[in-house]
Order: sequence, then C-alpha cells, then structure tokens
Amino acid sequence: KAGVTQTPRYLIKTRGQQVTLSCSPISGHRSVSWYQQTPGQGLQFLFEYFSETQRNKGNFPGRFSGRQFSNSRSEMNVSTLELGDSALYLCASSSGTSVSGANVLTFGAGSRLTVL
Amino acid sequence: QQQVKQSPQSLIVQKGGIPIINCAYENTAFDYFPWYQQFPGKGPALLIAIRPDVSEKKEGRFTISFNKSAKQFSLHIMDSQPGDSATYFCAASATGANNLFFGTGTRLTVIP
Repeated sequence: KAGVTQTPRYLIKTRGQQVTLSCSPISGHRSVSWYQQTPGQGLQFLFEYFSETQRNKGNFPGRFSGRQFSNSRSEMNVSTLELGDSALYLCASSSGTSVSGANVLTFGAGSRLTVL
Repeated sequence: QQQVKQSPQSLIVQKGGIPIINCAYENTAFDYFPWYQQFPGKGPALLIAIRPDVSEKKEGRFTISFNKSAKQFSLHIMDSQPGDSATYFCAASATGANNLFFGTGTRLTVIP
C-alpha cells in the first residue's frame, strides 16, 4: 500500500511569491491534514479536509489556504510569502471516519520550503 | 500557547538504558494521546497511543504511562538501541477533532 506522497520535496521561493504544495493520501483515506513544522514552534496544525470540505482549521493567517479534490488529493497554497514561512510542511492522511476519534494519522515526508 | 508541554528537549543515553520522555496537558477534553517518532528527512510515524481509560500501554520495547489526575503521560523505551535515535513527539486530541496538538519534541540519542 503506497504511503502519503508529497510534492515537491524541496523548494526555494522569494518573499512575496506564492507557493502550492501537493499531497496524495493513502488510497481509501478521505481525510487530509496539513501541519507546519519549524524548529521554534514544532508541529502546528494548519487545516483538515474531508470529502472536499474543510472540516477544521488552525490558527494561521488567511494567506494559508487549501483544497481537496474528489480523488482526495489535496493542495495547500501560501500567498505573499514571508521569511517566517520557511518550514517543513507535512501532510497526513487518515480515514477520517473513526467514531471513537482515533485520529490515526499517517504522515508524508514533507515539503521543505525555504523563503529568501 | 502550547497545549501539550514536553520535556526534556534532548536526551542522551547509553545503549540498553531506559530513556523517559514526559508530557503534560491542560485540556480535559483530550482523550487520545499518541507518540510519534521522526527520523531526519522523514515525516513523523505513529509509535504507540493511549486513551485515558488505561494507565499503561506496552508495545514491544515502548511503554506509555498515563496519569489522568495529574494530566501527564510519559514514554519509556526499554533496552534502548542506537536505532532508536530520533526525535519523539507526544500529542493529544479530543474525540471528533482530527487535529493533533503536538509537544515540542525530544531529540533522543542512544550511544552504542
């Protein structure tokens, strides 16, 4: 069973530009979550999509947005990049349907964004 | 505000030692507490998880101890090996919410 695939793995942008990151979840998983990982703040939740709808959102500015397609693949976009947006962006997938809220997330290897 | 507090930030043990990583939380709505292991260049991977209805859970060499009244939980790694050298994150979430609140991580080094 293929894991969570994130592309691109590395990218360099300059301030003011925008970036789009892609995530393909595990086959059959309908929930995709995005996290930002930085040395100072650790892992912070950005948002979660389930069946093409944003189901939950973290405390990030509106420059951070996402979407999910009918095949469960997801993209996240960061507009007007700032130096502080340099981070590893992690995508995680889950079935999203656990009644008990098991929240078993499988993470991809991440997309490392550097903003110059 | 960090919803889950983790300590220590880094830990060095000899092979065979028992590193212990501690986490604390405040939100009593949290009812799922996983631990993730992350190697350099990789995403975090689920190691073991516990719910507050049990005080301990063991999977192989990894054990979670949970103290509901103190709102604390910890990870113990028995007979640690150099291959266990990684960053460990505790996390917490509430039923119905698919977002995890992570601790700041502990970088573990196991010396041969």
